[in-house]
Amino acid sequence: SQQGEEDPQALSIQEGENATMNCSYKTSINNLQWYRQNSGRGLVHLILIRSNEREKHSGRLRVTLDTSKKSSSLLITASRAADTASYFCATDLTGANSKLTFGKGITLSVRP
Amino acid sequence: ETGVTQSPTHLIKTRGQQVTLRCSSQSGHNTVSWYQQALGQGPQFIFQYYREEENGRGNFPPRFSGLQFPNYSSELNVNALELDDSALYLCASSPIGQGYEQYFGPGTRLTVT
Repeated sequence: SQQGEEDPQALSIQEGENATMNCSYKTSINNLQWYRQNSGRGLVHLILIRSNEREKHSGRLRVTLDTSKKSSSLLITASRAADTASYFCATDLTGANSKLTFGKGITLSVRP
Repeated sequence: ETGVTQSPTHLIKTRGQQVTLRCSSQSGHNTVSWYQQALGQGPQFIFQYYREEENGRGNFPPRFSGLQFPNYSSELNVNALELDDSALYLCASSPIGQGYEQYFGPGTRLTVT
């Protein structure tokens, strides 16, 4: 079963716009991670936020975590056509030692 | 790109056959995890190996088995292949413990006919 549920399932935006993706989860976590996948190939790690952190930035990426609501959001600012990909949130559950549980993913299309 | 490599890239097998997939982990990483990703789904955790022993297993039957070698490389073996085993198999390496990102390889696309 999936621990994380991403929302929306698909997102289409114009280049230059911001993209916001959401993730909800069910149980206690050590950290939450976001990954990108291009064309069904390997996953690329984007950002990790620990359970005691509320917000983190990395370049054009901003991730927030609300453990009381068991939710996270990923914001990509000033999107580019190269950001077109599938995005997954993954939870590292308490005691799981980096055995990640993934959601079904969000398909982002950035139109030039 | 990460330093994790997988072989082969693609594989076609017949139902009932056996398959072995291989993974070389990133330098300095002593933990290897395997994931199965069906089309249109997120990756599902199969199992993790640390110091050549299985260190946790997901909801997969015993016909999915693995090995880790002293150089931290790993194999995934699947016996008695079923049509539903068709998927992208991803290997990921990391240091042991909690709170580390996973470094994924490019995956092996397995098709069972």
